[in-house]
Amino acid sequence: DGGITQSPKYLFRKEGQNVTLSCEQNLNHDAMYWYRQDPGQGLRLIYYSQIVNDFQKGDIAEGYSVSREKKESFPLTVTSAQKNPTAFYLCASTPPGRGSGGYTFGSGTRLTVV
Amino acid sequence: RKEVEQDPGPFNVPEGATVAFNCTYSNSASQSFFWYRQDCRKEPKLLMSVYSSGNEDGRFTAQLNRASQYISLLIRDSKLSDSATYLCVVIAYSGAGSYQLTFGKGTKLSVIP
Repeated sequence: DGGITQSPKYLFRKEGQNVTLSCEQNLNHDAMYWYRQDPGQGLRLIYYSQIVNDFQKGDIAEGYSVSREKKESFPLTVTSAQKNPTAFYLCASTPPGRGSGGYTFGSGTRLTVV
Repeated sequence: RKEVEQDPGPFNVPEGATVAFNCTYSNSASQSFFWYRQDCRKEPKLLMSVYSSGNEDGRFTAQLNRASQYISLLIRDSKLSDSATYLCVVIAYSGAGSYQLTFGKGTKLSVIP
């Protein structure tokens, strides 16, 4: 079955450490997104990519980096510059077209700083 | 005014009740609208699209009011399993083939036995 796979499900990061969250999709979707969700808050866009080798900053890109070397993969690195990284991270993808809103989400990665 | 606003709730309703949520949006150029459901500690999942003429899916009815710039979700005969957070998504064309998707913060629903 097609879908989005995020890994790991839980991740613990030490202060000053970079960590990378994986997001892989086999839906043949062009656009992929990373969102952050804090308790009781809505989703905030970190980065998005509409095609391979291209990506754009979202609303809260500081302290994060991404790459899009393959259509299927859109990893997110949380760098040491991100001062408050503890959150629920969601990767999503959408098919090409009129921004149909038909997001498919991965099951998320819960990142905690220890 | 925030781009997309929802009453955070929580809405606590008894089983069998009818409950309605609204979601207001500020961008008059918004084109597409959706409701997502998010269970606790899970990812959001598409519940239904919202069409201009209104649409129904079983116990769920979605409506769009462009003049007043809001969408609504009505749930009839609430079930315990309807307990979740309901997010609205608004999409606006932002030029050069790009679309801006904005999520509301969600409305929490608790259906009580």
